[in-house]
Amino acid sequence: DTAVSQTPKYLVTQMGNDKSIKCEQNLGHDTMYWYKQDSKKFLKIMFSYNNKELIINETVPNRFSPKSPDKAHLNLHINSLELGDSAVYFCASSQYMRPSTDTQYFGPGTRLTVL
Amino acid sequence: GENVEQHPSTLSVQEGDSAVIKCTYSDSASNYFPWYKQELGKRPQLIIDIRSNVGEKKDQRIAVTLNKTAKHFSLHITETQPEDSAVYFCAAVIIQGAQKLVFGQGTRLTINP
Repeated sequence: DTAVSQTPKYLVTQMGNDKSIKCEQNLGHDTMYWYKQDSKKFLKIMFSYNNKELIINETVPNRFSPKSPDKAHLNLHINSLELGDSAVYFCASSQYMRPSTDTQYFGPGTRLTVL
Repeated sequence: GENVEQHPSTLSVQEGDSAVIKCTYSDSASNYFPWYKQELGKRPQLIIDIRSNVGEKKDQRIAVTLNKTAKHFSLHITETQPEDSAVYFCAAVIIQGAQKLVFGQGTRLTINP
């Protein structure tokens, strides 16, 4: 099932580097999300976009910059990577921007390890 | 508030027994409560959800109950099987401002054969 896909699946990099994670959905959904899952499995929303427009921007360091070139893609760029950025990053999408009615479908995740 | 508390953090049951995971939420306006299952190394996947206009929903061996007055909801798995072993997350929609899902801390369920 490749409805929501992410690349790369694994990313190992040094502190201070800049890296990007890409996400694509072929479900025709309007809304996409980035979640961070830390080492304790805690899953927390970072950003959401609806039709290329930023809707939610949680208290995320500005080293994290999402970009949505079109409604099927939501990329995450991270500058000056820090050890604490190590986590699994999940992209998700939903039909519209109403989590109370629209199921969110998750991508396979990108495991980022910062050394 | 935006808290969703989930208990227990780990749960071990014998195959065939039932498992119950409980969650409480703080936003009294929350009206949607999904449950996600995450197998090791995989993505979270929706297994069942409930809306605030019903008190219980069942899908085969899985059921969810909701008590809006007490602001808590629970996942019940009956006749557990080894493939039920996974991390389970409850979530609640936070209505304040832009709607978003807030997840509980997760419960690692292990089914012992």
